[in-house]
Amino acid sequence: EPEVTQTPSHQVTQMGQEVILRCVPISNHLYFYWYRQILGQKVEFLVSFYNNEISEKSEIFDDQFSVERPDGSNFTLKIRSTKLEDSAMYFCASRTTGVSGNTIYFGEGSWLTVV
Amino acid sequence: GQQVMQIPQYQHVQEGEDFTTYCNSSTTLSNIQWYKQRPGGHPVFLIQLVKSGEVKKQKRLTFQFGEAKKNSSLHITATQTTDVGTYFCAGRPTGGGNKLTFGTGTQLKVEL
Repeated sequence: EPEVTQTPSHQVTQMGQEVILRCVPISNHLYFYWYRQILGQKVEFLVSFYNNEISEKSEIFDDQFSVERPDGSNFTLKIRSTKLEDSAMYFCASRTTGVSGNTIYFGEGSWLTVV
Repeated sequence: GQQVMQIPQYQHVQEGEDFTTYCNSSTTLSNIQWYKQRPGGHPVFLIQLVKSGEVKKQKRLTFQFGEAKKNSSLHITATQTTDVGTYFCAGRPTGGGNKLTFGTGTQLKVEL
């Protein structure tokens, strides 16, 4: 079964450093998402991306965050200057369009620890 | 903004007992989805409900979407240890949009 892949699986970074989390969505999917989950809490929407632009973003997704689709396969999340409260599991997700596009497929996540 | 709450937050059951989690949205939803997240894992899609009052079954799991399309439930009959995990509902608001708002989740533990 096709899957969303994410790298790295775990990253430890110093506060104030920039971090880039990478994702390869499923190849025929057109909608891409980033969600995050602070340990023990619910999954929170960050941003959705379609047709090479952000279609929606949450209040969490402030100027410190950016997303990019640099080529035909990768989808990245950049955090410019990390804060302690950015420590969380970051999930990339993707879906196609139409009826079958209702299913969102999540990657296994990138665990970010800011120290 | 849209809030999606689930109760209970935690549930401990003995294997063979039934389990139900309830999901309530502050706004009307165009559809509701259910996900299961195993400990240390990622959310895995279970099902989507679209129609008011819709009921769907997957083996021992029964999903229901409320008449007003603001609430939903997941019922597991005769739980097994493999059912352990956190169950999240997630809703998309009426009027479209890509944002899927997850509920607060119900963590299920099943003991032998």
